[in-house]
Amino acid sequence: EVHLLESGGGLVQPGGSLRLSCATSGFTFNLHALSWVRQGPGKGLECIASISGSGGSTAYADSVKGRFIISRDSSKNTLFLEMNRLTAEDTAIYFCARTDGYNSGWTDYWGQGTLVTVSS
Amino acid sequence: EMVMTQTPATLSVSPGERATLSCRASQTISNNLAWYQHKPGQAPRLLIYGASARAYDTPARFSGSGSGTEFTLTISSLQSEDFAVYYCQQYDHWPQTFGQGTSVQIK
Repeated sequence: EVHLLESGGGLVQPGGSLRLSCATSGFTFNLHALSWVRQGPGKGLECIASISGSGGSTAYADSVKGRFIISRDSSKNTLFLEMNRLTAEDTAIYFCARTDGYNSGWTDYWGQGTLVTVSS
Repeated sequence: EMVMTQTPATLSVSPGERATLSCRASQTISNNLAWYQHKPGQAPRLLIYGASARAYDTPARFSGSGSGTEFTLTISSLQSEDFAVYYCQQYDHWPQTFGQGTSVQIK
């Protein structure tokens, strides 16, 4: 059974940094692209970063480009999101999401999410 | 970035009635479109992929159609558990992008 478990969320001051992790199990890690999707308070879903199965290709939403870095560690079956220069607009629930395919495809499994709050 | 536009923003429907949700892509995406159901406090749930293929556990009352830039999700007879927010997502271009959602509410 596929499992995705996020961790690392919490309260951070504006301008600060945070690193999210997503531990995965139940599937062949290198065969699937992975993404981070967030939902701000009262807002819809936003896919902010994606990484291919090999880790060789990445893509970012304009809202986080240059501030966030997505990466993956195949030895630990874990996905990461390094978040820098955080602002109140980054306050959201952050979901880890598995893509059906190696590079692109629909999202077939989701984690339960971790809450990030940016506030002084 | 590819922009996905969903209409209407809110849909009020009585149980047993039909609901029709629309999604438009700013560029052609072939049939690379998925639909998700999202309830508060839960992870989103995949309903439809490839514009019209039901996920393994999606009830038959949910159907998807369309290609290119215009897509539709139809719920043939709304059940109480179907009241939620529905999102379309394109996966033709990276990064994947979602529409802003349609909230299906009880009338």
